[in-house]
Amino acid sequence: NAGVTQTPKFQVLKTGQSMTLQCAQDMNHNSMYWYRQDPGMGLRLIYYSASEGTTDKGEVPNGYNVSRLNKREFSLRLESAAPSQTSVYFCASSEMAGEWNEQFFGPGTRLTVL
Amino acid sequence: KNEVEQSPQNLTAQEGEFITINCSYSVGISALHWLQQHPGGGIVSLFMLSSGKKKHGRLIATINIQEKHSSLHITASHPRDSAVYICAPMDSNYQLIWGAGTKLIIKP
Repeated sequence: NAGVTQTPKFQVLKTGQSMTLQCAQDMNHNSMYWYRQDPGMGLRLIYYSASEGTTDKGEVPNGYNVSRLNKREFSLRLESAAPSQTSVYFCASSEMAGEWNEQFFGPGTRLTVL
Repeated sequence: KNEVEQSPQNLTAQEGEFITINCSYSVGISALHWLQQHPGGGIVSLFMLSSGKKKHGRLIATINIQEKHSSLHITASHPRDSAVYICAPMDSNYQLIWGAGTKLIIKP
């Protein structure tokens, strides 16, 4: 099993460009999450999907949209990238939503917006 | 005041030493996570606990809910344990409240 995979690993965008970060998990997990990690900071939750067909905002949703395409895949879209969105983006999944469930993390996408 | 405080912030030790990382928190939580972030950036969840003690290999995590304190111990430390260790209470909105992390370096 690959666990949680993310593409791309690295991306450089110009201000105003759009892009979609892809995430997939093969653990049959119900819940998926998108986080960002700024230099020297902890993770902050952008959006999560407690189950297929549902999505909810996290702590820092502005400037992002998400799609839970199916149970396996959860994508994050930047419609008009801004330098403040330069960060490392992590996708995670867990069997169920909630604080009792261990989250499994992808390798991260390092995004730079010029 | 930070909601989660870890100590020490940096720790360098020799291979084989017993390592302790402490975490104190002020938020009300039901579960506390310990995570490991490797130098390459990958994140691994080590433990999730709400009471008592958990052990996995050479890693032991304890928590005292009344005192709002948790510790992570590493026995027989090895250079491959070098990483940042993060204490992260999780609230009911699935928000991980990250501590600043403890950067651990184990020298051979």
